[in-house]
Amino acid sequence: LAKTTQPISMDSYEGQEVNITCSHNNIATNDYITWYQQFPSQGPRFIIQGYKTKVTNEVASLFIPADRKSSTLSLPRVSLSDTAVYYCLVGDMGGGSTLGRLYFGRGTQLTVWP
Amino acid sequence: ETGVTQTPRHLVMGMTNKKSLKCEQHLGHNAMYWYKQSAKKPLELMFVYNFKEQTENNSVPSRFSPECPNSSHLFLHLHTLQPEDSALYLCASSQDLQGNTDTQYFGPGTRLTVL
Repeated sequence: LAKTTQPISMDSYEGQEVNITCSHNNIATNDYITWYQQFPSQGPRFIIQGYKTKVTNEVASLFIPADRKSSTLSLPRVSLSDTAVYYCLVGDMGGGSTLGRLYFGRGTQLTVWP
Repeated sequence: ETGVTQTPRHLVMGMTNKKSLKCEQHLGHNAMYWYKQSAKKPLELMFVYNFKEQTENNSVPSRFSPECPNSSHLFLHLHTLQPEDSALYLCASSQDLQGNTDTQYFGPGTRLTVL
């Protein structure tokens, strides 16, 4: 079970770039890194996934250093609607026990202020 | 998004009642999941089904009984619940458990209150 550590909370202002770092020191060779976003009383929503280096989509970027022991979710120019809990998950997507890659942890509560 | 639907959205039940939660996915996925999210607690995985077969039971009490009649439907049968079982119950689906980039799609959840 690859454990992850994230800050409990972060604050930002509208228009700023937000970087949320997740530590996963015991990440395994086959493990991918996946980030989800959750609004109150809703199910989590997939944001981005990566294995190494940098991944970018229309919503966010994911930076993964060479040792893969951490990853950083970058949200460019946040707005009030980006206020949510962000989860970092690490696990083997290729079968076997699913418990490791489905451990959401407490996530990071991001609050964006006007 | 209507890829994964859950009914009912809200449920209030007594400790002696029997009720069922329903989840349906319209994404052609083969894996389905039940999660529990209590107030101020992490999301807890309860059950995993892959191609209608249960692959994980995360030490869930027997008062929660899942059923997966086909890859599109998942039920959670509830009986003799306790007030501490009050929570948001989330259903999710994914393509299957074998892909290297398997992404979960969540439903809106059922807010359960046990009196």
